[in-house]
Amino acid sequence: GAGVSQSPSNKVTEKGKDVELRCDPISGHTALYWYRQSLGQGLEFLIYFQGNSAPDKSGLPSDRFSAERTGGSVSTLTIQRTQQEDSAVYLCASSLVAGGREQFFGPGTRLTVL
Amino acid sequence: TQLLEQSPQFLSIQEGENLTVYCNSSSVFSSLQWYRQEPGEGPVLLVTVVTGGEVKKLKRLTFQFGDARKDSSLHITAAQPGDTGLYLCAGAVGGTGKLIFGQGTTLQVKP
Repeated sequence: GAGVSQSPSNKVTEKGKDVELRCDPISGHTALYWYRQSLGQGLEFLIYFQGNSAPDKSGLPSDRFSAERTGGSVSTLTIQRTQQEDSAVYLCASSLVAGGREQFFGPGTRLTVL
Repeated sequence: TQLLEQSPQFLSIQEGENLTVYCNSSSVFSSLQWYRQEPGEGPVLLVTVVTGGEVKKLKRLTFQFGDARKDSSLHITAAQPGDTGLYLCAGAVGGTGKLIFGQGTTLQVKP
């Protein structure tokens, strides 16, 4: 089947606007992870889902960031009132189960906040 | 806070040379993974090491997990231009599977 897909691939927004980033995991994968990749910080964990629940949100940088997952499948990462420091590539990964030893990554969404 | 220190950050070598990338931490991980990432794409898993002292080989790439499961290395023999890319080590945390990544090593292999 298809791999992890993310949309949009690129998003340019103005400071202060809200954005939604979407992730479609591999069918049947129960665990879903969001990471952020930026030049200065490398790849950072944001949040993970087991089914529709998010047991670990410890990586979300501020309360402007939120995420949800519905139907144990698609996930949306929402950033409210975007700031320039939010500019980064947002990567989604899925795994058959939480704690699984292989995560499959999507191509990412490149977010640029002007 | 669990951290992974990866070195070197940049490596530029000639085709045919050998190289080693290191990944070190003061924390113990349940497993350690190595990824390779091409521009505009997500990381792709190369290997997962689980047992302390484990050695895995993937063609010209050799991966080792430290005895205490705190460090790992990636050795490439006779590097080729096709090996050029960003190499990332990542430690898996407990039962969640969330990954703590090293800063990455950008490898350039010149023909």
